[in-house]
Amino acid sequence: QSALTQPASVSGSPGQSITISCTGTTTDVGGYNYVSWYQQHPGKAPKLMIYDVSNRPSGVSSRFSGSKSGNTASLTISGLQSEDEADYYCSSYTSTTALVIFGGGTRLTVL
Amino acid sequence: QVRLVQSGSEVKKPGSSVKVSCKASGGSFSSYAIIWVRQAPGRGLEWMGGIIPMLGRTHSAQKFQGRVTITADKSTTTAYLEVRSLTSEDTAIYYCAANTAGDTVNWFDPWGQGTLVTVSS
Repeated sequence: QSALTQPASVSGSPGQSITISCTGTTTDVGGYNYVSWYQQHPGKAPKLMIYDVSNRPSGVSSRFSGSKSGNTASLTISGLQSEDEADYYCSSYTSTTALVIFGGGTRLTVL
Repeated sequence: QVRLVQSGSEVKKPGSSVKVSCKASGGSFSSYAIIWVRQAPGRGLEWMGGIIPMLGRTHSAQKFQGRVTITADKSTTTAYLEVRSLTSEDTAIYYCAANTAGDTVNWFDPWGQGTLVTVSS
């Protein structure tokens, strides 16, 4: 089972908005609303930012939002801040034997 | 508020086994799911499997079936991951995480601090 496809890197200036895509297939992203997004700072454990495609856990800034269209999910961060600089991973339930797959990760750089 | 604290780093020889623990506090341990995810150096995340302590039910990726055992002790609110027949490919940080809705395959929050397992001769 291949990983979900994410861009290796994205960048933006403070105050701008960026979007990270996560492309899968009908057996994962396209077939279920079990997409979540994680933020990971260097040397730290991942942190849940979005679950079930577009829901934000308590305590996560409203600057983070999620959506899905067909086989592609997206994470949008508006009003970029320096502390948003991190790696971001998407994940999805899959009907294959892997059960859960992650994207390869996207490095966000705040210029 | 659920908090997960993992056991310390391990160095193992190829062919041996390792058992990593994940102590949970807060919430109702029996009712939530504990999952295990690993991250090889400089690489992405890989879901290994999970357990629902209340049901004693486990799910694991087919890749790891037969080599990985996930257990939970409700009396000590601790989950365990055992990996056997270690190779250098198993060198990674192993994370436990919780799903307080009792689902092993959907969203994981919070996470433990991670346990580095190094496999080297």
